[in-house]
Order: sequence, then structure tokens, then C-alpha cells
Amino acid sequence: DTEVTQTPKHLVMGMTNKKSLKCEQHMGHRAMYWYKQKAKKPPELMFVYSYEKLSINESVPSRFSPECPNSSLLNLHLHALQPEDSALYLCASSQQGTGPYEQYFGPGTRLTVT
Amino acid sequence: ILNVEQSPQSLHVQEGDSTNFTCSFPSSNFYALHWYRWETAKSPEALFVMTLNGDEKKKGRISATLNTKEGYSYLYIKGSQPEDSATYLCAFVSGNTGKLIFGQGTTLQVKP
Repeated sequence: DTEVTQTPKHLVMGMTNKKSLKCEQHMGHRAMYWYKQKAKKPPELMFVYSYEKLSINESVPSRFSPECPNSSLLNLHLHALQPEDSALYLCASSQQGTGPYEQYFGPGTRLTVT
Repeated sequence: ILNVEQSPQSLHVQEGDSTNFTCSFPSSNFYALHWYRWETAKSPEALFVMTLNGDEKKKGRISATLNTKEGYSYLYIKGSQPEDSATYLCAFVSGNTGKLIFGQGTTLQVKP
């Protein structure tokens, strides 16, 4: 199974809502990533978890809160978002966080903040 | 700020044409260069991870070369097919950080 799954596919939330994005992989990968992609722009790294510990936070605002409950799961908790946070959120995993390993991407969650 | 640039931004070719794109990246502190294919409504899919200067990799009709000294990589598609239509992204890794810095992508449209 070389699949990374993400739920939900689409999410519409108000600026006062709290919601979570979920990502799952069963490839035994020890690194997981969150990326944000705005229209016509490349994916931008937000967070990296390596062996279930946060190893990179790309100065992401605290209204985004990542969580890695175990090596297969990655969550992104959202609270008090702004309309400019509307984007495609991609999750990825790789064998390890360092080393020349390809990343396997999920299909993304399309988030709209109203 | 590390800059990764891809050209052209978009490309329209006829079925059967061969084509190539360029990815330019900083030549200092190079660790790896990734290529991904991203079809509409699907997940980005890894094509190649390249680490050594002069590396050449091939997967079917797609191949890639790497020049780390001058900071560029070429992706070639031989005999393009409509199913090759996608956005092709390169991503640079500086140092062994696991952090990918993506270029803007080249969007390829292959007409039957």
C-alpha cells in the first residue's frame, strides 16, 4: 500500500470555527509533512515530523497546530483561521526525514475560510 | 531565500513530440533534486530523486539529468502522449534537512 490518505477532501469553515485535517499512511514511513499550496504557486512546507517529533516548523502561525499521535497519523488542527488561509493542504510521508527519499503525497484537503 | 526556477511555465505539444524542461537551483550546499508529476485532481507523484553530479535517471519515456556544479536539471519526455499532460515540479533540497523547496512547475499539455 503506497497510498497517503487525507480527510476531508473539502472543508469550509468560518473564522471562529475549530476543525482538524487528518492524514494517514501505512507504509512504515517515519517522516510526515504538511504543505500549503495556494493557486498557481508551488507547495510550501509548513511542518515536518520525524519519528513522531516535530523537527521543522517553518514559522507557521499558531492558529495551525500539528499533531502526530503515532507514526501512521498526522493531524493539523485549525483555529481562528483567516480568509487568506484558504488553500490546498497537502500531506506527505517519506521513509525518513533526512536522506534522499522521495515523498509520497496525499490528494490534499481543499480548505475555504469564510 | 533559496530560489528554484522552472522553465518554461507551460508547454503545448502534439502527441509524439519529444520535449524537455529545465529546473535551476542554487549550486551551493546541494543535497538532492526531486522531480514530481502532478496530474489534475490527483496526488503529486515522485519521478526521480537525484543526488550526484552527472546523474542520469530514466523511467519509461521520461528521463532526467543533473548538473550540480552549474545548478540545473533537465527533464526529458520522449514521444509525448496525452496521458503525460500534467504539471512537472522540481524540488531542491539544501543540506540533509528533508526540506523540499519547490519550483513553480511546468504545465505540459499534450494534444492528440
